[in-house]
Amino acid sequence: DVKVTQSSRYLVKRTGEKVFLECVQDMDHENMFWYRQDPGLGLRLIYFSYDVKMKEKGDIPEGYSVSREKKERFSLILESASTNQTSMYLCASSFPGGVNEQFFGPGTRLTVL
Amino acid sequence: GNSVTQMEGPVTLSEEAFLTINCTYTATGYPSLFWYVQYPGEGLQLLLKATKADDKGSNKGFEATYRKETTSFHLEKGSVQVSDSAVYFCAQSGGSNYKLTFGKGTLLTVNP
Repeated sequence: DVKVTQSSRYLVKRTGEKVFLECVQDMDHENMFWYRQDPGLGLRLIYFSYDVKMKEKGDIPEGYSVSREKKERFSLILESASTNQTSMYLCASSFPGGVNEQFFGPGTRLTVL
Repeated sequence: GNSVTQMEGPVTLSEEAFLTINCTYTATGYPSLFWYVQYPGEGLQLLLKATKADDKGSNKGFEATYRKETTSFHLEKGSVQVSDSAVYFCAQSGGSNYKLTFGKGTLLTVNP
């Protein structure tokens, strides 16, 4: 079974802090994704990566950066957290091409005070 | 561009009722289509998928048929259970080798 894990289920940070969200997948997938999920807005893609050290902006990259130094790990970084970044963050991974089926982690609920 | 439109919720049903959640898409080419389910406090899980026209995806009593002529992929279940209470997302892979486009999700609540 594909397993995607995220470093924390719940996280509380203060405004201005630097925040790291970690995601690890164990199925050798090339593609990895970070989404945020907000009520009424569904899932919005923040960044994705199709290979080690490669990244592309999604629909809402402002205020975020990412790092992919190893194939299995994809990190989302909030350089200076703000209250409007309070959200559920979901990581996913997939093989390239084919049907693009994505496998999701359990999510991290981040609260910025 | 590529998009997914699914019926807005919330949807509230009694146990054993029939469920339909509508989903339509716009896409270039012939995308793969998916339904994902998100139970409270969890991430998304793939519920079913279809990769070409007239394919029927099915799982756990849920079904959806890929209708190219109506660009639709409606989710159905003949008899819902309380344990089916969740948010359901329709998604498509059109226009990209990597990304999925998701609908906004439909909250289903099933009462005993």
